Amino acid sequence: EDQVTQSPEALRLQEGESSSLNCSYTVSGLRGLFWYRQDPGKGPEFLFTLYSAGEEKEKERLKATLTKKESFLHITAPKPEDSATYLCAVQGTKAAGNKLTFGGGTRVLVKP
Amino acid sequence: GAVVSQHPSRVICKSGTSVKIECRSLDFQATTMFWYRQFPKQSLMLMATSNEGSKATYEQGVEKDKFLINHASLTLSTLTVTSAHPEDSSFYICSAIDSYNEQFFGPGTRLTVL
Repeated sequence: EDQVTQSPEALRLQEGESSSLNCSYTVSGLRGLFWYRQDPGKGPEFLFTLYSAGEEKEKERLKATLTKKESFLHITAPKPEDSATYLCAVQGTKAAGNKLTFGGGTRVLVKP
Repeated sequence: GAVVSQHPSRVICKSGTSVKIECRSLDFQATTMFWYRQFPKQSLMLMATSNEGSKATYEQGVEKDKFLINHASLTLSTLTVTSAHPEDSSFYICSAIDSYNEQFFGPGTRLTVL
């Protein structure tokens, strides 16, 4: 069974204070690892897909990296508008119907 | 990225009534869509996988007779909550997979059962 654990559960940052979110996973063959951002009362917004260890992707102040056991989402010089819950999900090669397994999320609050 | 819409965004109903929620992929065709529910400050819980032209696949513990799913076309899936009760109040979110195997989510539907 695929499992995803995200840490920390919550993160308070000062504007400009860079930090990293962790997503540890166990999966029987990784088809893809996905990062989403979710604002309160809204659906998750797609950020990145990573497919193999060593892969990195960037978008504005966000950078996602992947190893064989975990992924990190680095937030560089965050701004208050980066406040959101960040969700990590994996899709294993044995996942029926392309299902995703989600972690519990990390709630990020960036204070001005 | 691809766009997925949901309607309605918010619904309030009386206990015992049925509520239908629509999920549409606006700019791509999706043979597979998913339905999730999310409780406050919790992550997404997959309820069922909706397949165009065939029966939905429900996750363990999800009542198929209570949560009816119909995937009528490559761009539309509907979730009907039958005989809704207050414990069914939740945030329901759908998603659709595009041809690149990336999953895009709708904006969610807030259901409140009185």
